[in-house]
Amino acid sequence: KAGVTQTPRYLIKTRGQQVTLSCSPISGHRSVSWYQQTPGQGLQFLFEYFSETQRNKGNFPGRFSGRQFSNSRSEMNVSTLELGDSALYLCASSNRGREKETQYFGPGTRLLVL
Amino acid sequence: AQTVTQSQPEMSVQEAETVTLSCTYDTSESDYYLFWYKQPPSRQMILVIRQEAYKQQNATENRFSVNFQKAAKSFSLKISDSQLGDAAMYFCAYRSYLTQGGSEKLVFGKGTKLTVNP
Repeated sequence: KAGVTQTPRYLIKTRGQQVTLSCSPISGHRSVSWYQQTPGQGLQFLFEYFSETQRNKGNFPGRFSGRQFSNSRSEMNVSTLELGDSALYLCASSNRGREKETQYFGPGTRLLVL
Repeated sequence: AQTVTQSQPEMSVQEAETVTLSCTYDTSESDYYLFWYKQPPSRQMILVIRQEAYKQQNATENRFSVNFQKAAKSFSLKISDSQLGDAAMYFCAYRSYLTQGGSEKLVFGKGTKLTVNP
């Protein structure tokens, strides 16, 4: 079956703008998590959604938000972009409680803030 | 809070040789999962191997195996018969046991860049 898909793959924005990233999980997966990857901070957990409910949130400012739809697709939004938001944003999905508790990752969205 | 430490920022190995990547973690939990993920230059994060903490037997997946030492909180990855395609960043990750309403949050180490020399 198809893997996790993320759109867009690349994005260039300027400071102060906002951006929305999309993630479509593997068919049948209802859990979606988001991670930010930067050279300095590594991989950091942003948030996790299951059945349209946020289950957990990482230590990020309120400019970072997300949501999950009834079809399990998820979006994350970053408002008032800062240079430090430049990163690879990874989405992962899982069949919560099954399939050996494994998260499968998408290819990521590379965001560059100028 | 749980932490994961990978003390080797970079490692190199000759093709067909064996290499071991180190990972230690800190937790007060007794049940949890540990993972090794591989991230090649394409940036797609790929699961290599997983280990449940309650299992004493070390996990193996073809050329990949782990040495899980629960008391020492150590989880190393051994790659046998290294191939050029094994070149990538390798991340060790920790996840708590999933209780009802619990989180699937992964805690990652900083990664080890593996170079495979022909």
